[in-house]
Amino acid sequence: EPEVTQTPSHQVTQMGQEVILRCVPISNHLYFYWYRQILGQKVEFLVSFYNNEISEKSEIFDDQFSVERPDGSNFTLKIRSTKLEDSAMYFCASSEAQGTSVGFGPGTRLLVL
Amino acid sequence: RKEVEQDPGPFNVPEGATVAFNCTYSNSASQSFFWYRQDCRKEPKLLMSVYSSGNEDGRFTAQLNRASQYISLLIRDSKLSDSATYLCVVVGSNYKLTFGKGTLLTVNP
Repeated sequence: EPEVTQTPSHQVTQMGQEVILRCVPISNHLYFYWYRQILGQKVEFLVSFYNNEISEKSEIFDDQFSVERPDGSNFTLKIRSTKLEDSAMYFCASSEAQGTSVGFGPGTRLLVL
Repeated sequence: RKEVEQDPGPFNVPEGATVAFNCTYSNSASQSFFWYRQDCRKEPKLLMSVYSSGNEDGRFTAQLNRASQYISLLIRDSKLSDSATYLCVVVGSNYKLTFGKGTLLTVNP
């Protein structure tokens, strides 16, 4: 069964640094998402992406964040000038269509020191 | 009212028990509903979709009551492997998935 993959599995960075989290969505899926989960808290929506543009974003997804689909397979989340509170598990996800179930990648655990 | 609210838990049950999880949602225009499970430090995985007519998948039964804006999940004959956090997920009119905080289930031998 096809799966969403993410790299790296863990990332440690210093406050103020930039990080890029990478994802390869399921190949026939058209909608891509980033979610995050701070330890002990619920999964939170960050952004959805379709047809090479952002379709929806949450209040969390401010100017510090950006997404890109640089080629036909990768989907990236860039976090500029990281803050301590950005420490979380970041999940990439994809779906065939809007409103259908979403498949999640294994996540990247980001720790900002 | 929170967008998606679940039983806070945790639930501790013996093997073979029946356990029910409840979830309410605030947006009456919500379109789709799912139950996901999440193991510790892992990604959420789809358990089942929830349909208005109710649906069953083996030991799992999901119900939806649109009038009451209420979703439930029933697990019969619980197994040790059912131990996980169960997440209620609601898709709004903007197609955004909103997660509940989850209910932790521990099935004991």
